[in-house]
Amino acid sequence: EVQLVESGGGLVEPGGSLRLSCAASGFTFSAYSMNWVRQAPGKGLEWVSCISGFSDFIYYADSMKGRFTISRDNAKNSLYLQMNSLRAEDTAVYYCARDLGQQPNLHWFDPWGQGTLVTVSS
Amino acid sequence: SYVLNQPPSVSVAPGKTARITCGGNNIGSKSVHWYQQKPGQAPVLVIYYDSDRPSGIPERFSGSNSGNTATLTISRVEAGDEADYYCQVWDRSFDEGVFGTGTKVTVL
Repeated sequence: EVQLVESGGGLVEPGGSLRLSCAASGFTFSAYSMNWVRQAPGKGLEWVSCISGFSDFIYYADSMKGRFTISRDNAKNSLYLQMNSLRAEDTAVYYCARDLGQQPNLHWFDPWGQGTLVTVSS
Repeated sequence: SYVLNQPPSVSVAPGKTARITCGGNNIGSKSVHWYQQKPGQAPVLVIYYDSDRPSGIPERFSGSNSGNTATLTISRVEAGDEADYYCQVWDRSFDEGVFGTGTKVTVL
């Protein structure tokens, strides 16, 4: 069974940092690009970042560029999101999701993890 | 960046058909994917590549895409279909994912 389990969320002060992890199982992790998607409380989905199977292609949403860094360790079947200079508006549930597109112009996400909540507040 | 607009809400009686639109500039030239999200749960893919259904998704779910509008159609709506639905594309111009604003489907 394909499974994604996020961890690392919590309460952090504005300006602080946090590192999220996503543990993958049930599929050949290195064969797939992976994504982070977030959802602020009561709001819609917002795509955050994508990393290809061997980290040769990395993309970010504009509002996260320079503050967030996506990475992966294929030997550990794990995806990461390093978040720096956090702001109140970064408060959200962060989901990791496998990318099934397999082509440069095609990216869709299945499955998703259960999410981890990040709260930025003093 | 690319914008996808969805109606905030759609109401439908059980057994009837719900149509959820996703509007974007020349969206017909892109591949559109749809997700269902129930309260407190992670999103689930229900349609990919405009009209393909993942295994396990009922045939009642279908999709189409042309011109400036993509549509998710739910036939013979059931109470369990009540959820938020999001469309999604990949904007090749900026190499970024884009989600629609989301539509809450209420089963009357």
